[in-house]
Amino acid sequence: AQSVTQLGSHVSVSEGALVLLRCNYSSSVPPYLFWYVQYPNQGLQLLLKYTTGATLVKGINGFEAEFKKSETSFHLTKPSAHMSDAAEYFCAVTIHASGGSYIPTFGRGTSLIVHP
Amino acid sequence: DVKVTQSSRYLVKRTGEKVFLECVQDMDHENMFWYRQDPGLGLRLIYFSYDVKMKEKGDIPEGYSVSREKKERFSLILESASTNQTSMYLCASSSSGVGDEKLFFGSGTQLSVL
Repeated sequence: AQSVTQLGSHVSVSEGALVLLRCNYSSSVPPYLFWYVQYPNQGLQLLLKYTTGATLVKGINGFEAEFKKSETSFHLTKPSAHMSDAAEYFCAVTIHASGGSYIPTFGRGTSLIVHP
Repeated sequence: DVKVTQSSRYLVKRTGEKVFLECVQDMDHENMFWYRQDPGLGLRLIYFSYDVKMKEKGDIPEGYSVSREKKERFSLILESASTNQTSMYLCASSSSGVGDEKLFFGSGTQLSVL
């Protein structure tokens, strides 16, 4: 079984401040980890993913995340928040399932609020 | 540009009605998914399909069924809609190739059951 815990349903930062969104996972097999972003009235889109290899992964819009196996974490960071970063962020863990498909399990989401 | 299209953005139905939510993808993906999204609960998997005519139950299949007669189309069916099925429904698709685990999402259908 797999699960994802996102700490904090809401995170509020000032424009220009560091963004840190926390994600911890549990998985019985080596996981694939993802961060997705959802802007208002839109579906989700991929920010970044970790499958194998380098544990620090870079995504779109200046976001990055580090896979820490010992801490079972995959926290999302951005050095300087922009107003356009205000959105809902979802962490997901994926395992290999039937027919060659990958079935993601999503966290409950963290709403990022950016103040001017 | 790759696309997952959900037939309706907003839908209002009455309790007991049969409801069809349609999803079409143009990427020749093998896998298709239906999630519902509720505030504070994130995305919960209802059903998924990894091939035509194949379907698997997700975490919350009760009250729902699905149909996949063609590779590009995945339909979610509410046999008898109830008020607790008021939610945002998201369709997604993905390829089965290694390195292709990314999901592509539609814009969602906000369903209200009165």
